[in-house]
Amino acid sequence: SQQGEEDPQALSIQEGENATMNCSYKTSINNLQWYRQNSGRGLVHLILIRSNEREKHSGRLRVTLDTSKKSSSLLITASRAADTASYFCATAPSGSARQLTFGSGTQLTVLP
Amino acid sequence: DGGITQSPKYLFRKEGQNVTLSCEQNLNHDAMYWYRQDPGQGLRLIYYSQIVNDFQKGDIAEGYSVSREKKESFPLTVTSAQKNPTAFYLCATRRDGVETEAFFGQGTRLTVV
Repeated sequence: SQQGEEDPQALSIQEGENATMNCSYKTSINNLQWYRQNSGRGLVHLILIRSNEREKHSGRLRVTLDTSKKSSSLLITASRAADTASYFCATAPSGSARQLTFGSGTQLTVLP
Repeated sequence: DGGITQSPKYLFRKEGQNVTLSCEQNLNHDAMYWYRQDPGQGLRLIYYSQIVNDFQKGDIAEGYSVSREKKESFPLTVTSAQKNPTAFYLCATRRDGVETEAFFGQGTRLTVV
C-alpha cells in the first residue's frame, strides 16, 4: 500500500507563478523526502525534512511538514518551463526507516 | 544515474518467459531497492536489501525474485507468475542510515508481447 498521496494529481501553471503540491501520509515517520522525475527517467532527490522540523528551504524550493496532520507541502517559487516534471513525496516510516515509501505523484506542467 | 546502471533500457518478453533486469552500482551503498511504476502512477516497492545475502519483500513481491550475492549488484527476475509485468522498473540505492536520500537508475521499461 502506498504511504503517501499527493494532491493535486496534475497541476498546470504559467512560467513565473508559484506551484504548490501537497502530500499526505498515514503512519509516523522519521523523515519525509521530495523527489522529481522527468518523463521516462529515474527520480532525483530534491529535499529531506526531518520529523522534528517544520519548514525547510533549498533555492526556489520550500517544504513544510505538519506531523499532527500527517501532511507536507512543496512550494516551487518563480517556476520555469524546466520545472515541468512529476514530483513525489517519500516517507521513511518510524521503526522501518530503511524503507522509502512513495506517493502517487503530482504531474506539474509549467507553460512558457 | 550517478553510479547506478540499469540494463537493458528496453526489454520485451513473451508471455510465460522469465526475464532478469540488471542493476549495478558503484556508490558503495549498502541498501538497494526495486520499484515498479505503472503509467501515471507512483512507485511501488517490490524488494529491498540492506546487506549482501539478505533481502526483504516489499508491497508487491509476488511473481518477482531477487538475489544479493555482491554489494554492487541486485538483479530482479520477473517470473512467469507475474500476471501483469508490463511496467517501468526502477532500481535505487541508499547509504546506510535513516536520513539518507535514494539514488535512482534510469529504469528499464519491460513490455510483454
